[in-house]
Amino acid sequence: DVKVTQSSRYLVKRTGEKVFLECVQDMDHENMFWYRQDPGLGLRLIYFSYDVKMKEKGDIPEGYSVSREKKERFSLILESASTNQTSMYLCASSTDFYEQYFGPGTRLTVT
Amino acid sequence: AQSVTQPDIHITVSEGASLELRCNYSYGATPYLFWYVQSPGQGLQLLLKYFSGDTLVQGIKGFEAEFKRSQSSFNLRKPSVHWSDAAEYFCAVGAPAGGSYIPTFGRGTSLIVHP
Repeated sequence: DVKVTQSSRYLVKRTGEKVFLECVQDMDHENMFWYRQDPGLGLRLIYFSYDVKMKEKGDIPEGYSVSREKKERFSLILESASTNQTSMYLCASSTDFYEQYFGPGTRLTVT
Repeated sequence: AQSVTQPDIHITVSEGASLELRCNYSYGATPYLFWYVQSPGQGLQLLLKYFSGDTLVQGIKGFEAEFKRSQSSFNLRKPSVHWSDAAEYFCAVGAPAGGSYIPTFGRGTSLIVHP
């Protein structure tokens, strides 16, 4: 079974802090994604990566950056966390761009 | 670009009753279609997918979905709902020809199951 793990299930950070969310997949997938999920808004794509060191902006990249130094790991970085970034963050991976495998999510609260 | 609509924000059913969750898509050709389920506090799990061929697709947990090109729909069904089916359900569409290759997700339908 494909396994996608995220470094934290719950995280509480202060405004202005730099925040790292880590995602690791164990099935050698080329593609990895970061979404945020908010009530009533569904999933919104922040960034995705189709290869090591490659990244593309999604629908809402502002305030975020990503890093993919190794194929299995995709990190989401909040350079200076703000309260409007309080959300559930979901990581996913796929062998193609369609069928995605999701991690359990990180619920981030910024105070 | 493709889009997907889930018209129902919440659906309430009694345990043992049948279920149908609606999904409508917009795309100029035959899309790739998916249903995912998200249990409380969890990530999304793929229930089933449609790429081509038989328009009635069987998935996990006793779910099925039917692709209807004439109605641009891909509705999810289950003949008898169990309390453990209470969750958020997301329909997604992928565009295989041109445009974005990233799936677009609907806003989700929350399923509530009464005992």
